[in-house]
Amino acid sequence: AQRVTQPEKLLSVFKGAPVELKCNYSYSGSPELFWYVQYSRQRLQLLLRHISRESIKGFTADLNKGETSFHLKKPFAQEEDSAMYYCALRGHNQGGKLIFGQGTELSVKP
Amino acid sequence: GAVVSQHPSWVICKSGTSVKIECRSLDFQATTMFWYRQFPKQSLMLMATSNEGSKATYEQGVEKDKFLINHASLTLSTLTVTSAHPEDSSFYICSASDPGSSYNEQFFGPGTRLTVL
Repeated sequence: AQRVTQPEKLLSVFKGAPVELKCNYSYSGSPELFWYVQYSRQRLQLLLRHISRESIKGFTADLNKGETSFHLKKPFAQEEDSAMYYCALRGHNQGGKLIFGQGTELSVKP
Repeated sequence: GAVVSQHPSWVICKSGTSVKIECRSLDFQATTMFWYRQFPKQSLMLMATSNEGSKATYEQGVEKDKFLINHASLTLSTLTVTSAHPEDSSFYICSASDPGSSYNEQFFGPGTRLTVL
């Protein structure tokens, strides 16, 4: 079965602290993995995709196929990073649909 | 990036009535659109995949006759909640795939808050 698991519902850190939002997936094959972010009262938007291997707003995520994980990391959290973060998986030959994790609320305190 | 709009942004209706929500891709043609439901601070649950010119593909557990989807053009998909009940109250979000983007990226609408009294 295809599944995305984000074990933390809420992650609270102080400004300047490192952040790691966990994401594990279950998929038979090689999926595409994404991180989406939803700021307060805004629409969902793409943050990162594993294919690009890029750093956006200081965030990075590495796909670990052995551990089936795609954790999102940032070395120094900022208050403006406070938002809901969703990990998502897209399989092959499935019409492009995304399967989302439960989401993690990141709260960065001053 | 590409823009997806939804209308209305919020709607309140009486139990038993039907409500139509529109999803439009404003600056690209979307052969595929998706409809999600989101509960407060919870995940997005995919309801159905809408393909232009063909029937929608519904996820398991989603009632086709309750949630009617029409994708009549490459820029418009509609979701009609028929005979709405209070348990249908939720935040409905659509997304559209832009085939001209990198990796066939999905762009999300701002959502529609439905409240059924």
